[in-house]
Amino acid sequence: KQEVTQIPAALSVPEGENLVLNCSFTDSAIYNLQWFRQDPGKGLTSLLLIQSSQREQTSGRLNASLDKSSGRSTLYIAASQPGDSATYLCAVGLTTDSWGKLQFGAGTQVVVTP
Amino acid sequence: DGGITQSPKYLFRKEGQNVTLSCEQNLNHDAMYWYRQDPGQGLRLIYYSQIVNDFQKGDIAEGYSVSREKKESFPLTVTSAQKNPTAFYLCASSIAVNQPQHFGDGTRLSIL
Repeated sequence: KQEVTQIPAALSVPEGENLVLNCSFTDSAIYNLQWFRQDPGKGLTSLLLIQSSQREQTSGRLNASLDKSSGRSTLYIAASQPGDSATYLCAVGLTTDSWGKLQFGAGTQVVVTP
Repeated sequence: DGGITQSPKYLFRKEGQNVTLSCEQNLNHDAMYWYRQDPGQGLRLIYYSQIVNDFQKGDIAEGYSVSREKKESFPLTVTSAQKNPTAFYLCASSIAVNQPQHFGDGTRLSIL
């Protein structure tokens, strides 16, 4: 069974510092990997989606890498801002089903202090 | 603006009562999903629907039921058989399976 782990569960950084968020998964047979942002009491907002054939995706200050062989993905957020404070979740698209079922990690709660 | 609307935002259930959570989308998406989120845990799939009049159980379907009579709507009923219903419920949709999912703002269900 695919397991998705995000460590640490929480972290706090001063404004301007780069953020590095980790996601690991146990089965490398994935369809894709997606990073989401969740604000308190809200739904999820998709940040980046990496297909299994890709190594990375970039959008503005965000960059996500994917290493299927080691079962890892990393989300980098450059020059963090207080507005980046949120919980970040990764989700792996599984290939064991005929459709792209997502297996979620528990998330990393980020606080960026001014 | 296109999006997913979940209502109500907060819901309280009495013991032995069934409650229904609403999810409506105007994105013209074929696929819709219901997830449950508990504190400190990732989202878990309850039910999903790939097309109108069709739906499938997810990982934790016991105590829940759904219907998909219209493309835009995918209501979730939490039945009295669900003994631990307190959670944050999220609805999502995608243009098709294996495509990025878009989420609503959720419904928080609590027990009276």
